[in-house]
Amino acid sequence: EVQLLESGGGLVQPGRSLRLSCAASGFTFGDYAMHWVRQSPGKGLEWVGFVSSISYFIDYVDSVRGRFTISRDNAKNSLYLQMNDLRPEDTAVYYCARIIDVGQIGGYFDKWGQGTLVTVSS
Amino acid sequence: DIVLTQSPLSLPVSPGEPASISCRSTQSLLHTNGHTYLNWYLQKPGQSPQVLIYMGSNRASGVPDRFSGSGSGTDFTLKISRVEAEDVGIYYCMQPLRTPFTFGGGTKVEIK
Repeated sequence: EVQLLESGGGLVQPGRSLRLSCAASGFTFGDYAMHWVRQSPGKGLEWVGFVSSISYFIDYVDSVRGRFTISRDNAKNSLYLQMNDLRPEDTAVYYCARIIDVGQIGGYFDKWGQGTLVTVSS
Repeated sequence: DIVLTQSPLSLPVSPGEPASISCRSTQSLLHTNGHTYLNWYLQKPGQSPQVLIYMGSNRASGVPDRFSGSGSGTDFTLKISRVEAEDVGIYYCMQPLRTPFTFGGGTKVEIK
């Protein structure tokens, strides 16, 4: 069974850092690009960024570019999101998601983790 | 960035009745490779989102056939032929054509 399990969320003060992890199981992790999506409390979904299968391509939404870093370790079947200089507006549930590529351009998220809550507050 | 606008924001539906959600894009989501890059997700209360429809009109594995997606270019529609109680939640369209991937604002479907 395909599973994605996020961890590392919690309460953090503005300006501090946090590292989220996403542990993958039940599939060949290194065959898939992986994405992070977040959802602020009571709000909609926002794409955060992605890393390609062998980390050749990485991209971010502008609001986190320069502060967040996505990485992966295919040997450990793990995806990471390093979040620096956190702001109150980064408060959200963070999901990792596997994408099924279609046409080598984009695709669709077929599996999502359960999410981990990050709260940025003093 | 590609902006997706969903309507309505809220959709009360009686069980067994049809429902329709619109998603409009500021740019065409049809790629020269022939694929239409528009997906539909449902987030049930307290759960992670789940894919319903991908590439405009393809039903994902395990999704009941009462769900259908249509449209092209910039205008898309998700239809539920007969709403059931388990269909309540927030529906989102999403474009994976180019980064940043973007989502519509969501449509909350509830049972009357």
